Amino acid sequence: GAVVSQHPSWVICKSGTSVKIECRSLDFQATTMFWYRQFPKQSLMLMATSNEGSKATYEQGVEKDKFLINHASLTLSTLTVTSAHPEDSSFYICSAIMGRRNSPLHFGNGTRLTVT
Amino acid sequence: QQQVKQSPQSLIVQKGGISIINCAYENTAFDYFPWYQQFPGKGPALLIAIRPDVSEKKEGRFTISFNKSAKQFSLHIMDSQPGDSATYFCAAKRSGAGGTSYGKLTFGQGTILTVHP
Repeated sequence: GAVVSQHPSWVICKSGTSVKIECRSLDFQATTMFWYRQFPKQSLMLMATSNEGSKATYEQGVEKDKFLINHASLTLSTLTVTSAHPEDSSFYICSAIMGRRNSPLHFGNGTRLTVT
Repeated sequence: QQQVKQSPQSLIVQKGGISIINCAYENTAFDYFPWYQQFPGKGPALLIAIRPDVSEKKEGRFTISFNKSAKQFSLHIMDSQPGDSATYFCAAKRSGAGGTSYGKLTFGQGTILTVHP
């Protein structure tokens, strides 16, 4: 079945630094990728939608200058958390979908970000 | 209009029992309703999904019941096992929507299921 790989699975960084998270679709071309954020014992909150070759669309309240998304190819999207602060500590999950109308959404295994 | 309300927040079931999780939605444009299972520290995994042209879908021990007129759908886990202990999320989306909403899921709040041996 379709696999979405996310890297790294966990990262610890110091406040003020930037962290990049990669999301790859391993056996299919993902026309659209989504980035979610999940706090402990809460639901997934959509942060942004990215389409290959175009600018990402951010959800209301998500700072686009802080969470930089690049969808450089049909198999790779990256999320960069810039100037990270402790409140950015969270579980970040990407998902990908093929371009077909009724394609299911496949999720990566998430990245646990801890900002100290 | 975009909300999906899920209940209960947590559920404890004995091994062999039936686990039932319910969801309700408002947006009648939703036409795809998946359920996801998430284990701690992992991303959600698609469990089963249904479209509104059927009232029930069964895959192994998992069944989705769908009531279009009530705008409700539920997940039933038969013969619940300790390995089913996880967080379950219902979701909904407009599968035919174009542009940036294509594939965009609206999630319920999640249900933490604990199955005791």
